[in-house]
Amino acid sequence: QKEVEQNSGPLSVPEGAIASLNCTYSDRVSQSFFWYRQYSGKSPELIMSIYSNGDKEDGRFTAQLNKASQYVSLLIRDSQPSDSATYLCAVTSGGYQKVTFGTGTKLQVIP
Amino acid sequence: DADVTQTPRNRITKTGKRIMLECSQTKGHDRMYWYRQDPGLGLRLIYYSFDVKDINKGEISDGYSVSRQAQAKFSLSLESAIPNQTALYFCATTPKGGPRNTQYFGPGTRLTVL
Repeated sequence: QKEVEQNSGPLSVPEGAIASLNCTYSDRVSQSFFWYRQYSGKSPELIMSIYSNGDKEDGRFTAQLNKASQYVSLLIRDSQPSDSATYLCAVTSGGYQKVTFGTGTKLQVIP
Repeated sequence: DADVTQTPRNRITKTGKRIMLECSQTKGHDRMYWYRQDPGLGLRLIYYSFDVKDINKGEISDGYSVSRQAQAKFSLSLESAIPNQTALYFCATTPKGGPRNTQYFGPGTRLTVL
């Protein structure tokens, strides 16, 4: 079992719709959870972080964390073609700040 | 100017050659990391360093070595490059502290080993 799992996609949504990206993790003591966006050939950039159960909203983005189910998700409202990218889920655990990345979900927003 | 820079940005080399990839940062962060990214495999950690005197192996360190010349500089070497080391390589930094710190990535180096 991979430590951090994501559906590779592609996930296709029409412009203006809500895109829902999901991630599960195996380490129950994981402490911090991140979503990075990566455009093709570019470096990952942080878009959301979440540390406690529940929802965290930032503009069109909402991160949701459920530690009991070991599940974290990212919702993108009013999806735009510029949101088309690969979204990486990352999980931090351990005192030495080990970060494990998922393989990413490719999102395509269709105009 | 970019906070995390990598040189070169692209490199094509031949099997058996020694290659060095360099990373510099102006963020003042203590912790630096080297990752490689392959299609379908995501980002995998090669080496990380929490300060100048601290070097640690990641999950795929075989065939690689690193040097932390200063707080701001962290170099990755391939002593004898092989084709399966063809990948996109990223350097990242994070400030010293607990698990909430974000990783800041450089622009990446695309390495091709023929």
